[in-house]
Amino acid sequence: DQQVKQNSPSLSVQEGRISILNCDYTNSMFDYFLWYKKYPAEGPTFLISISSIKDKNEDGRFTVFLNKSAKHLSLHIVPSQPGDSAVYFCAASAGGQNFVFGPGTRLSVLP
Amino acid sequence: AAGVIQSPRHLIKEKRETATLKCYPIPRHDTVYWYQQGPGQDPQFLISFYEKMQSDKGSIPDRFSAQQFSDYHSELNMSSLELGDSALYFCASSRLGARDNEQFFGPGTRLTVL
Repeated sequence: DQQVKQNSPSLSVQEGRISILNCDYTNSMFDYFLWYKKYPAEGPTFLISISSIKDKNEDGRFTVFLNKSAKHLSLHIVPSQPGDSAVYFCAASAGGQNFVFGPGTRLSVLP
Repeated sequence: AAGVIQSPRHLIKEKRETATLKCYPIPRHDTVYWYQQGPGQDPQFLISFYEKMQSDKGSIPDRFSAQQFSDYHSELNMSSLELGDSALYFCASSRLGARDNEQFFGPGTRLTVL
């Protein structure tokens, strides 16, 4: 049973609009979450993190929201740019060391 | 800035053969992680090492073994290869106590088992 779920395999948004990528988890021991972006033929690159003591973390155009009661987090990208087109992985950890990855959401930002 | 280096980038093997994948972490990083990503699947954690000792073990088959050497590079040894081992193998490194516990990923080794 998958502990980290990203139920939307793909998402298309118009350039300049907001992209919202969702992630749900089942393990209540998870207390640290990362978002990674992956381009084809490259390894994942770190985007933004959030720990369970916070409900929001912001870094430039990227904001991650955490709803612990719902076991749900989301990544907001605003404004979206064509260079943001990639696969986005949500990853969760209990203790911040080894992470469980979700299946990824492919974001396409249309010019 | 130096990144995580993985070699080879591509590897083709036949069933029942062995393969060795290498990972060179970012300088001063003390922890190495191995992930396997099958076609259309999410990365699955295999094993990790901290200061040359195995620190955690995930879904790594018994046919696989890994170690971290004194220079902190790591090797993933895969024996009796099966068709299902065809995947992208990522190595990541981190430094204990670094900001955000960020893992820096290498470009991956694509293993194809024929």
